[in-house]
Amino acid sequence: ELKVEQNPLFLSMQEGKNYTIYCNYSTTSDRLYWYRQDPGKSLESLFVLLSNGAVKQEGRLMASLDTKARLSTLHITAAVHDLSATYFCAVYSSGTYKYIFGTGTRLKVLA
Amino acid sequence: DVKVTQSSRYLVKRTGEKVFLECVQDMDHENMFWYRQDPGLGLRLIYFSYDVKMKEKGDIPEGYSVSREKKERFSLILESASTNQTSMYLCASSPAQGGFLGEQYFGPGTRLTVT
Repeated sequence: ELKVEQNPLFLSMQEGKNYTIYCNYSTTSDRLYWYRQDPGKSLESLFVLLSNGAVKQEGRLMASLDTKARLSTLHITAAVHDLSATYFCAVYSSGTYKYIFGTGTRLKVLA
Repeated sequence: DVKVTQSSRYLVKRTGEKVFLECVQDMDHENMFWYRQDPGLGLRLIYFSYDVKMKEKGDIPEGYSVSREKKERFSLILESASTNQTSMYLCASSPAQGGFLGEQYFGPGTRLTVT
């Protein structure tokens, strides 16, 4: 059974600092997705990572995928308050045709 | 832009009532999903559908049923609502891409309270 773990669950950081959110998964998959959720709102797609070594960047966020290590990272560079949200990773399970979500990382960027 | 809409943003129902949550997508996606989101538990899959009239159980189907009579519409039914079904319900759709599922597009969510 595919399991997805994110860490940390909570992250409070100062503006201008860098940090990384980790997403580990338990069985083989080559499709990984990152989403953002603002309080009281739905999920918004950030990145789709489709192969080993894939790297995507958008503004201060950069996501990467290492399928051999079964690990994806979401790196935040020079955080700003607007990045405060909950971030989810999701892994596609080809055996079950499902997306398995991590529990999310609640990020708070302090001014 | 893909648009996924849900019939209600907020809903309050009484225990034992039959509850219908509707979801409509306008991008001709093959796949549709219903999740519930609870604090500390992330998103849990209730049911999904990969074609009209097709449905598959997710991880927590008990107490729920679904209907997909048209490609664009996927309904979640709570046969007899209970207080432990108080939650945020999220609908999503995705295209089928060569045997894999593409990225999901989520609706705004329905916050259901069962009293």
